[in-house]
Amino acid sequence: AQSVTQPDIHITVSEGASLELRCNYSYGATPYLFWYVQSPGQGLQLLLKYFSGDTLVQGIKGFEAEFKRSQSSFNLRKPSVHWSDAAEYFCAVGEMTGFQKLVFGTGTRLLVSP
Amino acid sequence: KAGVTQTPRYLIKTRGQQVTLSCSPISGHRSVSWYQQTPGQGLQFLFEYFSETQRNKGNFPGRFSGRQFSNSRSEMNVSTLELGDSALYLCASSSMTASGNTIYFGEGSWLTVV
Repeated sequence: AQSVTQPDIHITVSEGASLELRCNYSYGATPYLFWYVQSPGQGLQLLLKYFSGDTLVQGIKGFEAEFKRSQSSFNLRKPSVHWSDAAEYFCAVGEMTGFQKLVFGTGTRLLVSP
Repeated sequence: KAGVTQTPRYLIKTRGQQVTLSCSPISGHRSVSWYQQTPGQGLQFLFEYFSETQRNKGNFPGRFSGRQFSNSRSEMNVSTLELGDSALYLCASSSMTASGNTIYFGEGSWLTVV
């Protein structure tokens, strides 16, 4: 069965510092991988996705993520965090069959200190 | 292009009642899925519809049901509401393209059961 682990429940980063959010997945084949962000009271906004090809994917808001098959990881990075990045971040794995079913991690809440 | 639209955004129901939530997908998207988000269980897949047919179903009781119309709009229904059904219900739509299956979420419907 598919599963996603986000080992960090909370992370605090100083504004302007770099960020890395960890995500490990379990899936029998090559997965679809996604990162979503959720601000309080809002829905999920897609940051980026990995489907195939280049293992370093660029997303919106200056985020990027790297797919590492050998480590079953898809970590999210940003070189310089802004106060507006404070939110909850979810990693998800989806099936490649075209079925629209995502399995989500438990999320990492990012706090940005001044 | 309009995003995924969910109505109503907020609602309060009494235990034992039923509720219907509506979702309008992004124009051209034929797949619609539903997720429940709670603090305790996180984001969980409810079901997915494609061309008016349920393709996939999560592990929820039969009180949770859905349907999709010929214009791809979808509704989900929860009967005999329980306190534990209080949650954010998220609808997502997607379309398979050459760059993979990109899944977009709406802002959600906040359901409170009292």
